[in-house]
Amino acid sequence: GAVVSQHPSRVICKSGTSVKIECRSLDFQATTMFWYRQFPKQSLMLMATSNEGSKATYEQGVEKDKFLINHASLTLSTLTVTSAHPEDSSFYICSAYGTGDSPLHFGNGTRLTVT
Amino acid sequence: GIQVEQSPPDLILQEGANSTLRCNFSDSVNNLQWFHQNPWGQLINLFYIPSGTKQNGRLSATTVATERYSLLYISSSQTTDSGVYFCAVEKGVQGGSEKLVFGKGTKLTVNP
Repeated sequence: GAVVSQHPSRVICKSGTSVKIECRSLDFQATTMFWYRQFPKQSLMLMATSNEGSKATYEQGVEKDKFLINHASLTLSTLTVTSAHPEDSSFYICSAYGTGDSPLHFGNGTRLTVT
Repeated sequence: GIQVEQSPPDLILQEGANSTLRCNFSDSVNNLQWFHQNPWGQLINLFYIPSGTKQNGRLSATTVATERYSLLYISSSQTTDSGVYFCAVEKGVQGGSEKLVFGKGTKLTVNP
C-alpha cells in the first residue's frame, strides 16, 4: 500500500532557529500533500495543502511566512518552520492520497519542541 | 465548513468488552475514514468507508451516508486498542485532492 515517510520524527531546537520537515511518498507520486498540526490532546488541524509545482494553499489563520511549504517534486514536500518560538511546539503530520481511489495516508509525524 | 462530531469523547473498557464509536457529519461526503492514533502519535488508517459496511478482524465500520453518520465497532477489545480514534470526512471528489476534516476523536482506554 501507499507509504508516506516523514523526517525527522523528533526535533528540539532553540527559539529563533528554523526547522525543516520532509515528507516523502515512497511508492507513488503525490501531486498534492497535506500538512496537519496537532496540539496535545487535540484533534488534527489542517495547516496547508501542498501542490507540486505551485504555491501552497494555506488555511485561514496559518501564517504563510512562518510555515514555508515547498513541493518541488512529485514525491517530496517540505515544511519549514521559520524563526520558531515555543508556541510552535507541536506535532506536525503530513499526508497524501495514494493512486486511484485510495484513502489518505499519513506519515509518522514530527514532534517539534522549541526551547 | 463541514462539521464532524464524535461520541463519546472518552471511553474506558475492560479487556474483552465491545464498544461502538459514533461519527456524525453535517453535510454529504465523498470520503470518510476512521483512524487510530497510538500513544506514539502514529495515525493508522482503519477504514476507508464513504458508505456501506466493512470488517477487518475485530473491527468493523458502517457508514449511512443518507443519514450522515458512521459507526466503528470494536469487539473483544484488547489493551493494544487503547488510543484515540478519529473520524475524518472529505466533501470533495472521491480519491481526489480535497482536504479531510477531522472530528475531535474518542479516547479509548482498555484496562487489563
